[in-house]
Amino acid sequence: DTEVTQTPKHLVMGMTNKKSLKCEQHMGHRAMYWYKQKAKKPPELMFVYSYEKLSINESVPSRFSPECPNSSLLNLHLHALQPEDSALYLCASSQTLGETQYFGPGTRLLVL
Amino acid sequence: AQSVTQPDIHITVSEGASLELRCNYSYGATPYLFWYVQSPGQGLQLLLKYFSGDTLVQGIKGFEAEFKRSQSSFNLRKPSVHWSDAAEYFCFMTTDSWGKLQFGAGTQVVVTP
Repeated sequence: DTEVTQTPKHLVMGMTNKKSLKCEQHMGHRAMYWYKQKAKKPPELMFVYSYEKLSINESVPSRFSPECPNSSLLNLHLHALQPEDSALYLCASSQTLGETQYFGPGTRLLVL
Repeated sequence: AQSVTQPDIHITVSEGASLELRCNYSYGATPYLFWYVQSPGQGLQLLLKYFSGDTLVQGIKGFEAEFKRSQSSFNLRKPSVHWSDAAEYFCFMTTDSWGKLQFGAGTQVVVTP
């Protein structure tokens, strides 16, 4: 089973809202990733967690706040987003850092 | 600096014809290379990967890729495309020293009847 699940599938939020994206995997992977993807562009890496610790933060604005409560779960907390943050947010996991990444279906976010 | 280049932004191919997507990389040692496919509004699906060993790699959906160190390339091929192969294809690189992850810009494949 190489499934990564993401909820919700779609999210519409205002600029003053607080919301969270959720990602889950049950493959025993110890590395998890958040990517942002704008239309017609490749995914851009945002955060990487390894063994539940934040390993990489690609200079992401503080209005995005990641959390890894346990080895199976990864959250992305959103607060005071801007319209330009509208994108597809993809989660991925891998056995360890640098190994093959398996992607979830993504959350389509629209910020009004 | 590490980089991945997909020279073709857009390719149109007839159903049943062969397909080749180009990927070139820049890295001082042997990278880990992947091809992913993405249908509209979907996540990325792994087609195949190369870490080491046999330079011709077989993947899912009838795809294969060949790693050529001398040309710094990892081109993806399929002998006969199906309409369902229409999608965006991304070449992706990581390294064993956990260098920066690199996606290519992607190649949009359109399949005509």
